[in-house]
Parts: sequence; structure tokens; C-alpha cells
Amino acid sequence: QVQLVESGGGVVQPGNSLALSCAASGFSFMNYAMHWVRQAPGKGLEWVALISYDASKKYYADSVKGRFTISKDGSKNTMYLQMSGLRAEDTAVYFCTRERTGYYSEYWGHGTLVAVSS
Amino acid sequence: DIQLTQSPSFLSASVGDRVTITCRASQGISSSLAWYQQSPGKAPKLLIFAASTLQSGVPSRFSGSGSATEFSLTISSLQPEDFAIYYCQQLKSPPFTFGPGTIVDIK
Repeated sequence: QVQLVESGGGVVQPGNSLALSCAASGFSFMNYAMHWVRQAPGKGLEWVALISYDASKKYYADSVKGRFTISKDGSKNTMYLQMSGLRAEDTAVYFCTRERTGYYSEYWGHGTLVAVSS
Repeated sequence: DIQLTQSPSFLSASVGDRVTITCRASQGISSSLAWYQQSPGKAPKLLIFAASTLQSGVPSRFSGSGSATEFSLTISSLQPEDFAIYYCQQLKSPPFTFGPGTIVDIK
């Protein structure tokens, strides 16, 4: 069965960097696009980034463009989110998702919490 | 960027009620819309994709309709497990924005 497991969250000071991972299993990893979606405490869902099935296309929310980088490693069945220049407003649970055709998020991980605080 | 609005933002209903949530897009998105359900402390769950296609395993009391700029999610007979927050998301063009959410609460 499809499994997505996020890791790498934690407490980080403003301006610092952090890398999130999403380990995937149960499907052909390089056949599917994947997203990062975040949710600040008590708030709604915010789309963060998408990487296409073959990593040829990458899209970002305006709020993270230039600071976050999405990537995937087919040899490790893992997607990444490299976050730099972190701000307090980046504090959220970060979910990775796998698409079904059309970029719809069919499968979700349980999320990893990133807290940006001094 | 495409903006999504949802109405109502809060809905109080009883078990067995029929409820409808509306999602409006700031520009036409064809049928590139999804609906998700999020229960407290859990990851969201895909209910509807392509505006009106029921995701596998989702009860048939859920249905979606609409195209272009106006969409709706209907629950034909509300069940206890349906009390949750519902979000729409457009997948027409990046950034793939979510609506602000609709809380469905028990009356």
C-alpha cells in the first residue's frame, strides 16, 4: 500500500535552514508528481510546492519562492524540501502528498512540524 | 494567481441533514477542482476530484458539481463522521491554491 512518511521537522531559529524528507513506498515513485502542503497551527491548508513525476517541472507558492527548493531522488524513493531563510510565518505542519492524474493529492503523509522561533 | 472563496465559512447541522458548500474561483478553472475533508488531528482526505468525480472508497452521500468559477460539495445525509473541515483546491494552474475551509459542526 502507498505510504508517505515525512521527517526532518523541528525547532529552528529565524533565518536558518532546514531540510524535510518524504520517504515513499508502495508505488512507482518516479511515475507520480508530488506536493508539499503546509498548515500553520489552527489555520487552513496552504499549498507550498509541486514537483512533476520526472522532476522536470517545479512550482512554488509565492510565499516560499526563492527560499524553498523541492527535489526528488528516485534511487531513494524520497522527496525533499530544502528550506532556507526561515521565518516565523513558516511555522506549520508540512505534509507531503502524492498525486493521482491531474495533480490531485490522493495520498497524504501524517506531516512533520516545523517551528521557527528564537 | 487564482483565488478561491468558500461559503459558508461555518455550518451547523444535524445528523441526517443535507448540506451544500460552495467554492468560487476568481477566474475560470474548467473542472480542475478537488474537495478534501480534514478531521481534527488528521491529514486531509481526498473526496472529489475533477469537480465531480468521487474518489474511490468515499461514500456516495458525497457529491460534487460545477465548472468554470462556481462549484459545490453536497453531503446528502450528514453522518457523525462527516463533522470536519472541508477545503476546495484548484489544480488548473500554479500556485495550486486552497480555499479557506468550511467548518461543519454538530448542531
